[in-house]
Amino acid sequence: AAGVIQSPRHLIKEKRETATLKCYPIPRHDTVYWYQQGPGQDPQFLISFYEKMQSDKGSIPDRFSAQQFSDYHSELNMSSLELGDSALYFCASSLEAQETQYFGPGTRLLVL
Amino acid sequence: SQQGEEDPQALSIQEGENATMNCSYKTSINNLQWYRQNSGRGLVHLILIRSNEREKHSGRLRVTLDTSKKSSSLLITASRAADTASYFCATDNQGGKLIFGQGTELSVKP
Repeated sequence: AAGVIQSPRHLIKEKRETATLKCYPIPRHDTVYWYQQGPGQDPQFLISFYEKMQSDKGSIPDRFSAQQFSDYHSELNMSSLELGDSALYFCASSLEAQETQYFGPGTRLLVL
Repeated sequence: SQQGEEDPQALSIQEGENATMNCSYKTSINNLQWYRQNSGRGLVHLILIRSNEREKHSGRLRVTLDTSKKSSSLLITASRAADTASYFCATDNQGGKLIFGQGTELSVKP
């Protein structure tokens, strides 16, 4: 069965650069969630979208923005990167009416 | 963690033994979910238990939920070396977003 696809899988950036992470949800899933997991930490919710509209917002820095497109894929844009942004970034998708979130493999971002 | 504690933080057992992990949370919930994560990899959904359920089984997994104590436990029976991973509980309070616990690192020795 098709799973959540994230790209790139690994990304190395320098401080103050920008990065764009992409997420392709499971076909027919209309809800996308973004989570950040720092080293040795639990995943922290960043932001979510339902039917291309932002549905909830968590601990997402103002330097980050995200959107969901008409084909339901989502992009997380990160600007003015800081060393502390180094983390695993997960995207998850679900059907709005269902509760289970299916996670992608994550993008490992390293900021030097 | 935004949510609460997972207990223990690390657990080491022998293959064939049972592993029990506990999770506490702070707010009212719609459901509680358990996820597994191999080192640095993605999160795999294991089981979901709704707030009106007390116990649920899936293969070698047994989950209990006590909403009066705001706690849940995950039992893995007859553990295998391949069960070695981090296990996270996560709560959904009807907003859709998941709030994760700190995780338990399980090591199953052959």
